[in-house]
Amino acid sequence: AQTVTQSQPEMSVQEAETVTLSCTYDTSESNYYLFWYKQPPSRQMILVIRQEAYKQQNATENRFSVNFQKAAKSFSLKISDSQLGDTAMYFCAFMKGTGAQKLVFGQGTRLTINP
Amino acid sequence: DAGVTQSPTHLIKTRGQQVTLRCSPKSGHDTVSWYQQALGQGPQFIFQYYEEEERQRGNFPDRFSGHQFPNYSSELNVNALLLGDSALYLCASSLVWGDEQFFGPGTRLTVL
Repeated sequence: AQTVTQSQPEMSVQEAETVTLSCTYDTSESNYYLFWYKQPPSRQMILVIRQEAYKQQNATENRFSVNFQKAAKSFSLKISDSQLGDTAMYFCAFMKGTGAQKLVFGQGTRLTINP
Repeated sequence: DAGVTQSPTHLIKTRGQQVTLRCSPKSGHDTVSWYQQALGQGPQFIFQYYEEEERQRGNFPDRFSGHQFPNYSSELNVNALLLGDSALYLCASSLVWGDEQFFGPGTRLTVL
């Protein structure tokens, strides 16, 4: 079974700073996807960024980028130039590349951006 | 283009009762997954439906059942409610061959 671990329950930074959220996972699969989802206080889960395990290049979406270390089974999220709207719960998630699209989530990191 | 919608938004039930939650997928999506999110936790996979069949099931008892209709909408039914069933229930839709799931706003179930 796959497991996802987020070791930082809470983080807090000042607006415009850069912050990195950590995520490690455990799997014996070779084909899989990794995701970071954001859940603002309004609670709708939104996809932030995704990474295919077969791609060596780290995914980037505007101010959001990942550091994917496949051998170490690490998948961290970096938020640059943080904004007040980035305040939310962030969940790291794993999905096998074959079969049903079951997402396995970590426990989440509550990120607060302070003005 | 409407995204994933869920109803109701909030629901209060008492122990032993039964509840039905509803989900309409994003336009064009054929697969619906249900997740339970306890307070302060990450979502847990309940099950997934495709072509009106349960495609995969998570570690949830048989009290949790579902259905998918020909228009791809879905229902989650929970029988014999327990206090521990209090949670946010999230529906996510996707394409069967896709990897991105789009989530609805959730239904907050409180069991008293």
